[in-house]
Amino acid sequence: QSALTQPASVSGSPGQSITISCTGTSSDVGSYNLVSWYQQHPGKAPKLMIYEVTKRPSGVSNRFSGSKSGNTASLTISGLQAEDEADYYCCSYAGSSTPFGGGTKLTVL
Amino acid sequence: QLQLQESGPGLVKPSETLSLTCTVSGGSISSSTNYWGWIRQPPGKGLEWIGSIYYSGSTSYNPSLKRRVTISVDTSKNQFSLKVSSVTAADTAVYFCARQDIVVVVAATFLDWFDPWGQGTLVTVSS
Repeated sequence: QSALTQPASVSGSPGQSITISCTGTSSDVGSYNLVSWYQQHPGKAPKLMIYEVTKRPSGVSNRFSGSKSGNTASLTISGLQAEDEADYYCCSYAGSSTPFGGGTKLTVL
Repeated sequence: QLQLQESGPGLVKPSETLSLTCTVSGGSISSSTNYWGWIRQPPGKGLEWIGSIYYSGSTSYNPSLKRRVTISVDTSKNQFSLKVSSVTAADTAVYFCARQDIVVVVAATFLDWFDPWGQGTLVTVSS
């Protein structure tokens, strides 16, 4: 069982916005602004999309944004595109460890 | 740019030890600004952090795997390695290595994001 809880799946139509949640505890997400998000297409290595809750690496579309409230972090993708269909994972510092969430499959309808 | 490449046997027998190496190119493994991590993904399942190491040899491990896992670093070869002992079919997975950024605040180190990642290597545990 993952230390961080994500919905198993979310879906949206092209052009819409979706949000993926990542719920932890006061020992991880709630205590540190060290949440990162990864996109993984089938058969590929994960790709960093968001780090330190809200920061976007160079080259990542500004359609991707991150936020946090209490023990829950969120990844929002606006203007959904077919290429956004993938698995998404959150990760948080948790006191000398860095567990991942269980992952969320995003389907673009 | 920085690149990582995993290498090692693709097939390991049950009860034996799984050994993998990650070779870092395009940068030094002796960087003071990051750790080096191992993450695995069983077929059809999610990502699991295994552990991370600093160039000095300081390590952090997933508590659920700590008893069976050893991560080491060889700065002369710009490599770091993973050993998982007493493997079972549940250890069958794609194993990734990655650079892990850190945040240092008043001598305390906090593990942060992973980037870049290696392409991953599938290790199957079977007799």
